[in-house]
Amino acid sequence: AQSVTQPDIHITVSEGASLELRCNYSYGATPYLFWYVQSPGQGLQLLLKYFSGDTLVQGIKGFEAEFKRSQSSFNLRKPSVHWSDAAEYFCAVGAGGGSEKLVFGKGTKLTVNP
Amino acid sequence: DTAVSQTPKYLVTQMGNDKSIKCEQNLGHDTMYWYKQDSKKFLKIMFSYNNKELIINETVPNRFSPKSPDKAHLNLHINSLELGDSAVYFCASAISPTESYGYTFGSGTRLTVV
Repeated sequence: AQSVTQPDIHITVSEGASLELRCNYSYGATPYLFWYVQSPGQGLQLLLKYFSGDTLVQGIKGFEAEFKRSQSSFNLRKPSVHWSDAAEYFCAVGAGGGSEKLVFGKGTKLTVNP
Repeated sequence: DTAVSQTPKYLVTQMGNDKSIKCEQNLGHDTMYWYKQDSKKFLKIMFSYNNKELIINETVPNRFSPKSPDKAHLNLHINSLELGDSAVYFCASAISPTESYGYTFGSGTRLTVV
């Protein structure tokens, strides 16, 4: 069965600093990988997804993620964080066609200091 | 128009009561889901329906009964509510069970059982 680990429960960065959120997955076949963001009191918004092809994927809001099969990782990055990026970030892995079932990590809470 | 809408947004009720949460999507998707987010923000799938048929049932207590009158609607009925049922419940939809574009989530229903 697939699983997702987000090692960092809480990360604090200063506005303008770079950001990397870690995600490791466990899945026997080629994974379908996603990053979602949840602002306080809101639902989840898809930031980006990886299915195949180029291992560096671009998403919305200036985010990107890199799939590294050898490390079973799909880390999320942003070169310069804005205060509005403060939120909870979830990594997820899908089985089969990717939408059959998503298994989520436990999330990383991002705090942005002015 | 909201793509995936859930009602109510907040629900406070006493132990032992029966309550329902409704979900509607106007995206023309075939597949709908219920996810539960606990107090630690962990998201776990509960049910999935494809074109009104149940395709995923993740060992959820049988006090929870989903119903899909048509492929645009997926409701969740909960009998004999318990304190541990307090959580945020998210509805989501996808084009199909095997479509790899990821989900569209509703904004959630915060259920508080007192």
